[in-house]
Amino acid sequence: DTEVTQTPKHLVMGMTNKKSLKCEQHMGHRAMYWYKQKAKKPPELMFVYSYEKLSINESVPSRFSPECPNSSLLNLHLHALQPEDSALYLCASSQGSQGNEQFFGPGTRLTVL
Amino acid sequence: DAKTTQPPSMDCAEGRAANLPCNHSTISGNEYVYWYRQIHSQGPQYIIHGLKNNETNEMASLIITEDRKSSTLILPHATLRDTAVYYCIVRVVGTASKLTFGTGTRLQVTL
Repeated sequence: DTEVTQTPKHLVMGMTNKKSLKCEQHMGHRAMYWYKQKAKKPPELMFVYSYEKLSINESVPSRFSPECPNSSLLNLHLHALQPEDSALYLCASSQGSQGNEQFFGPGTRLTVL
Repeated sequence: DAKTTQPPSMDCAEGRAANLPCNHSTISGNEYVYWYRQIHSQGPQYIIHGLKNNETNEMASLIITEDRKSSTLILPHATLRDTAVYYCIVRVVGTASKLTFGTGTRLQVTL
């Protein structure tokens, strides 16, 4: 299984809602990532988890809260988002924290109203 | 990580070789060149990477100049499915594993 899955595919939420994005991989990878991609822009790194511990936070606002319950799962909890947070949220995984080949999921397209 | 410069767009006829250039004139000795692509509405896909030798896999070839200041990704027989944004990324392996994407090259393969 060489796939990273993300749910949901699409999400629409209001600014007062709390929602979560989910990411799963069964490749035995020990590093997992969240990226954010605005329309017509390249992906930007948000968080890196290595061996289930947060190793990089790219100064992301606290309204985004990552969680890595186990080595196969990565969540992104969303609370009090702003319309400018509307974007494609991409999850990726790699063999180890040194990166090499990162496998990306298809993304969750988030719209904040 | 060193900065890369790529042309914003390129066209290629189906069946012909697509040669995508990338300049990375400030690359350091321990930095690798990576290529990813992103087909519309999908997540990025790893293509190939190299340090200083030319590399080939089932998807593409990577040619790195001797001074390592530039490289070329070659898709030998482009198909319509190769239409995508191609990202050249330079990074150190062994540090925290950031992938810093530049603006990339939008490759349009046409009939």
